[in-house]
Amino acid sequence: DTGVSQDPRHKITKRGQNVTFRCDPISEHNRLYWYRQTLGQGPEFLTYFQNEAQLEKSRLLSDRFSAERPKGSFSTLEIQRTEQGDSAMYLCASSRGTSLQETQYFGPGTRLLVL
Amino acid sequence: AQKVTQAQTEISVVEKEDVTLDCVYETRDTTYYLFWYKQPPSGELVFLIRRNSFDEQNEISGRYSWNFQKSTSSFNFTITASQVVDSAVYFCALSGLNRDDKIIFGKGTRLHILP
Repeated sequence: DTGVSQDPRHKITKRGQNVTFRCDPISEHNRLYWYRQTLGQGPEFLTYFQNEAQLEKSRLLSDRFSAERPKGSFSTLEIQRTEQGDSAMYLCASSRGTSLQETQYFGPGTRLLVL
Repeated sequence: AQKVTQAQTEISVVEKEDVTLDCVYETRDTTYYLFWYKQPPSGELVFLIRRNSFDEQNEISGRYSWNFQKSTSSFNFTITASQVVDSAVYFCALSGLNRDDKIIFGKGTRLHILP
C-alpha cells in the first residue's frame, strides 16, 4: 500500500474564493473520511463515504462545503466562498470498512490559509 | 456523549527519560475502541495502537506501552527511554463499535524530547 495521499499539501487563498482538495485513499479501502484540524485541537470529523455513498455529515459541514466520491475511489472536498474561519488542516483517512470499526489511516493533510 | 480528555497540553523531558501521556475518556457505549495517534511536525497522523474495550490487557511494543484501566476510563501511553524523534503531538481517540465509525479525538499532548 502506498498510503493515503492528499493534494495540494498547502493552499493559500483569498476570502470568498472557492477551493478544492483531493484525497486518494489506500487502494481497496472502501471507506473514506474527512476531518478538519484547527490549531491546538484534535481532528474533528466532517463526513465519510462507504464506496461512493456519503453516509454521514457533521453539522460542522456547512452548506458551503461539499464532498464527493464519484467512483468510490478518490474524493474531493470543495469549500465555496471561503472564510477566514475555514483556515485549518484538512485531513483525509481511509479504512477497509467491514461491519466493525477498522483502523483509519490518515494522509498528510492539506493546510488551508484563508487571507 | 463521547469525550476524550488529554489534560497535559505540553510536556518536556530530557532524552532517555520515561514519559507517560494521560488519556481519560467518557462514553455510554459498552463496547468501543481506543486509539493513540502520533502527529510529527510533518502533519501526518501516524496510527500507533487500537485497543478494544473488552481487552484490558496492557500492551507493549518496543519502547511504547499502553495501560488500559476500564475502571477509571483511562488509556495512558508510556514511552520508555525517550528519544528526540519521539517529539510530536500525541492524540488519544475513541470510537464506538458498530456505529458510524467517526473517531473522537482529544486535544492532544505536545511532547518535547530535549537532547
